[in-house]
Amino acid sequence: DAKTTQPTSMDCAEGRAANLPCNHSTISGNEYVYWYRQIHSQGPQYIIHGLKNNETNEMASLIITEDRKSSTLILPHATLRDTAVYYCIVRSTGGFKTIFGAGTRLFVKA
Amino acid sequence: DVKVTQSSRYLVKRTGEKVFLECVQDMDHENMFWYRQDPGLGLRLIYFSYDVKMKEKGDIPEGYSVSREKKERFSLILESASTNQTSMYLCASSLRDRVGDTIYFGEGSWLTVV
Repeated sequence: DAKTTQPTSMDCAEGRAANLPCNHSTISGNEYVYWYRQIHSQGPQYIIHGLKNNETNEMASLIITEDRKSSTLILPHATLRDTAVYYCIVRSTGGFKTIFGAGTRLFVKA
Repeated sequence: DVKVTQSSRYLVKRTGEKVFLECVQDMDHENMFWYRQDPGLGLRLIYFSYDVKMKEKGDIPEGYSVSREKKERFSLILESASTNQTSMYLCASSLRDRVGDTIYFGEGSWLTVV
């Protein structure tokens, strides 16, 4: 599975959009981009995933660049409950050994 | 809603004890995983299973074993617990061989070995 690079931490004002970047320059053609988040003391929660098209669900939007070497997770209206560590990972079919790096600590402030 | 349930949220065990961590999923997933999470080290894969009675070692299998007798249940066993196995343990599951299959995690089990 390709490695990802994310900023260590970010701040966001409550009610504003949170844009979390991820670099995955070594991604291969059959690898999907996944985003998870982990609120303190809980298991990682699935947010969204995509291959090359932009995706949106009730939680977030995922924007993947045309060359697929980077992506951005967008939380459109961040709340205090969105304070968490956000993980960007890439994996392919049968990619059992999913690698979770350090992620980005997002602090949403009132 | 998808559900991965870990039997114990918090456990305290003594050094040398045999410890069982149980995990059940209700999504009919073929793949199941056990990870441990430690500060600064991220999530590390201990073992995974892609079918009943099948298991494969992950990155850090030493000191652990697993059992998968039924599709929905995957158990992690610490044969003789040691203090360096104090950690948060996460169970997860996913469908097999589907492009873009999603891994779902349980809430985690906090194990303290004293």
